[in-house]
Amino acid sequence: DAGITQSPRYKITETGRQVTLMCHQTWSHSYMFWYRQDLGHGLRLIYYSAAADITDKGEVPDGYVVSRSKTENFPLTLESATRSQTSVYFCASSALAGDPDTQYFGPGTRLTVL
Amino acid sequence: AQSVTQLGSHVSVSEGALVLLRCNYSSSVPPYLFWYVQYPNQGLQLLLKYTTGATLVKGINGFEAEFKKSETSFHLTKPSAHMSDAAEYFCAVSDRRGYSTLTFGKGTMLLVSP
Repeated sequence: DAGITQSPRYKITETGRQVTLMCHQTWSHSYMFWYRQDLGHGLRLIYYSAAADITDKGEVPDGYVVSRSKTENFPLTLESATRSQTSVYFCASSALAGDPDTQYFGPGTRLTVL
Repeated sequence: AQSVTQLGSHVSVSEGALVLLRCNYSSSVPPYLFWYVQYPNQGLQLLLKYTTGATLVKGINGFEAEFKKSETSFHLTKPSAHMSDAAEYFCAVSDRRGYSTLTFGKGTMLLVSP
């Protein structure tokens, strides 16, 4: 199906484990983003990517790693999960850099770190 | 640095009443402004956006917002609330500096009673 998808939708893991959240978009959008949503904080940008092999840090990058080998995929890895990373994670994409284009959001992944 | 302040984490209205959700921003450059809506267990969906031109912007589902530069505000309104409007609303600002990254407010939950 066309659009932006995230997997898994729900994930429970333990402290110290590595976790990878997947994001896939079918629009060939140049830009992709990862946000986390926490009560009282709204959405905060973790990492973003302008194109394949180009990534940059956002507001809260510590503890996260991203890669973008293909335009359509933008996985987010928690190398050693901590309880403070319990959150809802949203992936988004947009078509053009430097323009006020719409960001299209995926359905989110709810991650619980025990 | 940009910032967005949404006044009121929760707003309650009766069905048929006026909806007013407040957003004030801070930006060192002329901003682009956005309102997104999030329904339970879903991603964010764009309601409307201001880029340039007319300061009164109309969006989906009967919502509109007015950009007031002198007040650094971008309040969201709807003349008559419907039960289906119950959701969380996020205001966001872009500084348009080459990357279309967004800074979000903390969100306002709109509650609609019959």
